[in-house]
Amino acid sequence: EADIYQTPRYLVIGTGKKITLECSQTMGHDKMYWYQQDPGMELHLIHYSYGVNSTEKGDLSSESTVSRIRTEHFPLTLESARPSHTSQYLCASSEGLALSTDTQYFGPGTRLTVL
Amino acid sequence: RKEVEQDPGPFNVPEGATVAFNCTYSNSASQSFFWYRQDCRKEPKLLMSVYSSGNEDGRFTAQLNRASQYISLLIRDSKLSDSATYLCVVNVNNDMRFGAGTRLTVKP
Repeated sequence: EADIYQTPRYLVIGTGKKITLECSQTMGHDKMYWYQQDPGMELHLIHYSYGVNSTEKGDLSSESTVSRIRTEHFPLTLESARPSHTSQYLCASSEGLALSTDTQYFGPGTRLTVL
Repeated sequence: RKEVEQDPGPFNVPEGATVAFNCTYSNSASQSFFWYRQDCRKEPKLLMSVYSSGNEDGRFTAQLNRASQYISLLIRDSKLSDSATYLCVVNVNNDMRFGAGTRLTVKP
């Protein structure tokens, strides 16, 4: 089992609220990722980080922001939640060493509903 | 064209059947390949890496054809517990690219 955690697992919140989705891993992985996935649909990469103080936007444009102040922690923030942000958010990490073994380990996800 | 394309599915098969999933990738610079499994409302989990020579893990066999830019996953003697979505994943220049997935339902 991968040691990667996300909180909260479920969040129902009103429009306009600021929210932070937490993601932590205890594997010492350099690379971390945030994906967005709607039910029955494919994963979309929205942010990634290759190490402390490194953050990049992914393929899918997102109004969220991320930070990477510590290796183990990669929180995602929405300044003003909207119903269009309703989705599942999955955090992942990988060692980032050898390509052949650079598998990603996923957290359990946060299911966000914005009313 | 998507970077990673998979059979659309869904595949509905009886227990004990053999089922094969295909995946094609567009970037010839792709360097490593994986199959992930995702259960309904759960996170993806690594099923197996795919090696150039092909590899087997119990009832699961993965094949890679670099010339055709094609990956396959074969499941033999399918079980009810194999029901899930199977994601083809390709590493391109250190970026992991996920396919949309193929849904498999194994019925009694």
